[in-house]
Amino acid sequence: QKEVEQNSGPLSVPEGAIASLNCTYSDRGSQSFFWYRQYSGKSPELIMSIYSNGDKEDGRFTAQLNKASQYVSLLIRDSQPSDSATYLCAVRGGGADGLTFGKGTHLIIQP
Amino acid sequence: GAVVSQHPSWVICKSGTSVKIECRSLDFQATTMFWYRQFPKQSLMLMATSNEGSKATYEQGVEKDKFLINHASLTLSTLTVTSAHPEDSSFYICSARDAIAGESEQYFGPGTRLTVT
Repeated sequence: QKEVEQNSGPLSVPEGAIASLNCTYSDRGSQSFFWYRQYSGKSPELIMSIYSNGDKEDGRFTAQLNKASQYVSLLIRDSQPSDSATYLCAVRGGGADGLTFGKGTHLIIQP
Repeated sequence: GAVVSQHPSWVICKSGTSVKIECRSLDFQATTMFWYRQFPKQSLMLMATSNEGSKATYEQGVEKDKFLINHASLTLSTLTVTSAHPEDSSFYICSARDAIAGESEQYFGPGTRLTVT
C-alpha cells in the first residue's frame, strides 16, 4: 500500500524565516511529486511540482527531491503570515494517475 | 491557468436521498478527472478516477454502486451519492489534469461540502 508520511505539526516559524517541510513516500515507483497548500475549509492549491532529483525553485519556494532516500521537501523563504496553512505532500506513481496524499503539515507563521 | 469548478459548493440532504455533484474544467479539456473525499482533520483520499467515455475506476473500499460517476464530456464529470447516510457527510473535491497538453499537474475544484441529516 502506497504511503506518504508528513509530520502533522504544528510547525511554528517566525515571520521572515525559512520554513522547512518534509515528506517521505513508500512507493519507489513514484514518478511525480507535488506540494499543495490548503487553507481551512478550502480545496488544495498547487504550489510546486517536481519530477527529477535535485532542487526546483519558484519564487520563495524551493522543492527538493531525493528518490534514493524517497524524500521530498519544501522550503519557504521569507515566510509571511499568509503562508500559514496546511501543506500537503502528494505523490503519483508510475502508470497511476491518482494522487496519494500525506496528512499534511500545519504551518504557522508568527508575526 | 487551469480552472476547475464544482457545483454545488455545499449541500444538505436527508438520509436516504441522492445528491449529484458536478465538476467542470473551464479552460481545458480533461480526459481524466478524479474524485477525492476529505473528512475533518484528515487528508484527501482518492475515491475514483473518472475517464471520459468509459467506466470509472474505483479505489479499494469505495462502493461503485453508491458513488456513481459519469464523465459525459471532456469538461464535465458528475458524482452522485446514492442513498446518502450521515457517514457520507464529507468534503468532496474533484480534480482534473490537462492530459492533452501532456501536463502532470492536477488542479482542484473548490470542493463540495455535503451534510447528510
